[in-house]
Amino acid sequence: DAKTTQPNSMESNEEEPVHLPCNHSTISGTDYIHWYRQLPSQGPEYVIHGLTSNVNNRMASLAIAEDRKSSTLILHRATLRDAAVYYCILITDSWGKLQFGAGTQVVVTP
Amino acid sequence: EAGVTQFPSHSVIEKGQTVTLRCDPISGHDNLYWYRRVMGKEIKFLLHFVKESKQDESGMPNNRFLAERTGGTYSTLKVQPAELEDSGVYFCASSRTGGRGTEAFFGQGTRLTVV
Repeated sequence: DAKTTQPNSMESNEEEPVHLPCNHSTISGTDYIHWYRQLPSQGPEYVIHGLTSNVNNRMASLAIAEDRKSSTLILHRATLRDAAVYYCILITDSWGKLQFGAGTQVVVTP
Repeated sequence: EAGVTQFPSHSVIEKGQTVTLRCDPISGHDNLYWYRRVMGKEIKFLLHFVKESKQDESGMPNNRFLAERTGGTYSTLKVQPAELEDSGVYFCASSRTGGRGTEAFFGQGTRLTVV
C-alpha cells in the first residue's frame, strides 16, 4: 500500500551529510513525493515535498530522478537531533492522505 | 501560531470502557486527519474531515470508533467499547488546504493503553 521502498536503517556521523534513498517505481504523473520524519515520542513532522524538480528548504534537499521513479532526501549536515525515522510517502490521494511505510531509521553518532 | 494539540497525552482504560480523544487543529485549517499506530505496526490512516464533513473514513477499523468534528473546529475520536487491540498511539494532523502538495502538521499523539 505504501508504494515506496526505503532501507530499514542508515548510520551517519555527526556533521556529515546523509543521503536517504527512496524507490517509487509505480509513481504516476500527479503523485507528489513527500518526506516526513518522526523523532522519538513525537508526532510525524513534515520535512519536504516535490513533484518533478529538486527542492531545497531549511531542513533538507530533495533530489528527484528524471524519470521520477526514485528520489533522495539529503540532510546536509547531520546533527544528533536528526536521529529519527524518515518516511518517504507518495501522495496519490487528492485530499492529502498519507500512507506511511516502515521508513528509514537514521542513527547519528557523535 | 499554536500547533496541533491532542488531549490527553496518555490514557489507560480497562477493556470495555469508553475513551474519548480530542484534537485541536491549527486555527484556520479546514482539513483534519486521524491516524494511529498500533504496537509493532506502521502508522495507518483512519479518517479525514473537511470542515465538519467526513471526506474519507475508509480507515476506521470498525463501528466501535466514532469521530466527530462539530462546527468544523476541534475533533473527537470515541472508542466504545475499547478492546485490547485498540492500544496504540493516535495521531491527529491538520492542513490548511487538502491536496497532494499540502504540508500536514501533526500533534504529539495520544497513547492509549487498554488493559
